[in-house]
Amino acid sequence: NAGVTQTPKFQVLKTGQSMTLQCAQDMNHEYMSWYRQDPGMGLRLIHYSVGAGITDQGEVPNGYNVSRSTTEDFPLRLLSAAPSQTSVYFCASSRAPEYEQYFGPGTRLTVT
Amino acid sequence: DAKTTQPPSMDCAEGRAANLPCNHSTISGNEYVYWYRQIHSQGPQYIIHGLKNNETNEMASLIITEDRKSSTLILPHATLRDTAVYYCIVRVGTGANNLFFGTGTRLTVIP
Repeated sequence: NAGVTQTPKFQVLKTGQSMTLQCAQDMNHEYMSWYRQDPGMGLRLIHYSVGAGITDQGEVPNGYNVSRSTTEDFPLRLLSAAPSQTSVYFCASSRAPEYEQYFGPGTRLTVT
Repeated sequence: DAKTTQPPSMDCAEGRAANLPCNHSTISGNEYVYWYRQIHSQGPQYIIHGLKNNETNEMASLIITEDRKSSTLILPHATLRDTAVYYCIVRVGTGANNLFFGTGTRLTVIP
């Protein structure tokens, strides 16, 4: 059981570039979510999904897109990177929203 | 979801019990109390959660006051590996609402 995996671990982008952060889980969890964590702050929810084909916005969705075509994968797309999106991104999954969430190791993104 | 208040930092001697308080005076009847921790820059790790009864698992104990306005996470024998930021979160127990992380308590276990 690999749990929740995220790739890449580190990424540097120039302003205006686009990219996709990958997230996968092998626990057959229905619920998946993306958070960002800025220095000295707690985690803030970007987008979440309660199952394949269903996604919804969290607290800070602007500048990000998600899709959920399979139970296992929940990629996060940055459409046009901005320096304000420099952050550490965490993906999480759980059986359902109220159950314990399992977090991936994070992707550290720098936008210059 | 109700707001929580935690001290920004605490120290604990290695081998002693660490008692981390959390105030959630506006908690609703259907909101659970969850605790997560984040070690260095890793992803957060679930610790424990409860509604109104005290809970215990292999990692910690959760004590919730009778009026549910505050709770305490207890790590019975703190080790250096317990040094982390601890987050107290309250949320409704069902539905697709989510975990709202504040800034937590930075616990430092001292040798």
